Amino acid sequence: AQSVTQLGSHVSVSEGALVLLRCNYSSSVPPYLFWYVQYPNQGLQLLLKYTSAATLVKGINGFEAEFKKSETSFHLTKPSAHMSDAAEYFCAVSDTGGFKTIFGAGTRLFVKA
Amino acid sequence: EAGVAQSPRYKIIEKRQSVAFWCNPISGHATLYWYQQILGQGPKLLIQFQNNGVVDDSQLPKDRFSAERLKGVDSTLKIQPAKLEDSAVYLCASSLWKTTDTQYFGPGTRLTVL
Repeated sequence: AQSVTQLGSHVSVSEGALVLLRCNYSSSVPPYLFWYVQYPNQGLQLLLKYTSAATLVKGINGFEAEFKKSETSFHLTKPSAHMSDAAEYFCAVSDTGGFKTIFGAGTRLFVKA
Repeated sequence: EAGVAQSPRYKIIEKRQSVAFWCNPISGHATLYWYQQILGQGPKLLIQFQNNGVVDDSQLPKDRFSAERLKGVDSTLKIQPAKLEDSAVYLCASSLWKTTDTQYFGPGTRLTVL
């Protein structure tokens, strides 16, 4: 069975600092992995997606994530945080058959001025 | 390209009342999802349609929740009767075909059950 664990329900960084949001997954087959962002009172929108083409995936707004099979991780990073990055971030995993997606519990990112 | 539309945006009802939510997916998207997002948690899939058919409804509380997708386009999610624990945001999403495709989400309906 698939599962997703996001370490840290809240992460706080200063503006300009590195952002690191952690995601570990469990899957019996190579998965598809996603990061979505949710701004207040809005639906989720895709940041980036891993489809096995490349282990380092670049997304929108300067975010990127690296797939590490040995660590079953797909952590999200951004070199320099901006105030507008404050939001909730969700990691999700889908089986390659494309039948089921499971979302993590989310990590709320706070950015301090 | 128009996004996923949902209505209403907010709904307040008393327990034991019924409520319905509507979703219009992106044109051409075969797969439609309904998620329940309780405060502080990630989205939980309630039901997944592919065209008219149900792909997954394993987490739908079928004694009180029902959903339909007529003609493979719009969808309605109903709760009858509502319980206090149904207070949540109900998200609708659509994707081109499979869950490996990007899901596009609507703004959600915030339900409060008093």
